[in-house]
Amino acid sequence: TQLLEQSPQFLSIQEGENLTVYCNSSSVFSSLQWYRQEPGEGPVLLVTVVTGGEVKKLKRLTFQFGDARKDSSLHITAAQPGDTGLYLCAGGSGGRRALTFGSGTRLQVQP
Amino acid sequence: DTGVSQDPRHKITKRGQNVTFRCDPISEHNRLYWYRQTLGQGPEFLTYFQNEAQLEKSRLLSDRFSAERPKGSFSTLEIQRTEQGDSAMYLCASSPPDRDNSPLHFGNGTRLTVT
Repeated sequence: TQLLEQSPQFLSIQEGENLTVYCNSSSVFSSLQWYRQEPGEGPVLLVTVVTGGEVKKLKRLTFQFGDARKDSSLHITAAQPGDTGLYLCAGGSGGRRALTFGSGTRLQVQP
Repeated sequence: DTGVSQDPRHKITKRGQNVTFRCDPISEHNRLYWYRQTLGQGPEFLTYFQNEAQLEKSRLLSDRFSAERPKGSFSTLEIQRTEQGDSAMYLCASSPPDRDNSPLHFGNGTRLTVT
């Protein structure tokens, strides 16, 4: 069974602070996706990384896929209240079409 | 692109009753997924369809759960003899054909409460 562990589970910070969220597994994934989910809504894709060591930037968000494709991180610079939400990583494994989701990191950014 | 639509948004039922949820995927998407999410957790995979064929089903899925996608378009998820542990958000997602690492497009879910 492939498992994805996210840390921290919960993070409450002040506006303007930086933060990093981690997604770790003992399994190798062919791709890693990050989603954000707001209350009462489904998750929405932020980014997909597929190559070991790959770094992608989306405005103030920086995503990295580990060299061995077993882990990933999400770094947010100068967090804003609009960044509040549940951040989910999800791993894909080629032959298995369904994504495996991590347990999520709930981020709260206080104004 | 009208997005993935799920109905109903909320369902309250008594233990032992049967419930059925509906999902309408994005029209050109041939892949459809059902996930379950409990409070504070990530989505847990239930089952996956490609067109009308159910290609994957979680081993965690009780035989009280059944899903169909008869014409390869909309899908239904039925839970028979509901239990309090079935209370959760049931999420449907779809993705386009023939693309590796396709993102999942989620609906806003059906929240089930079993009393």
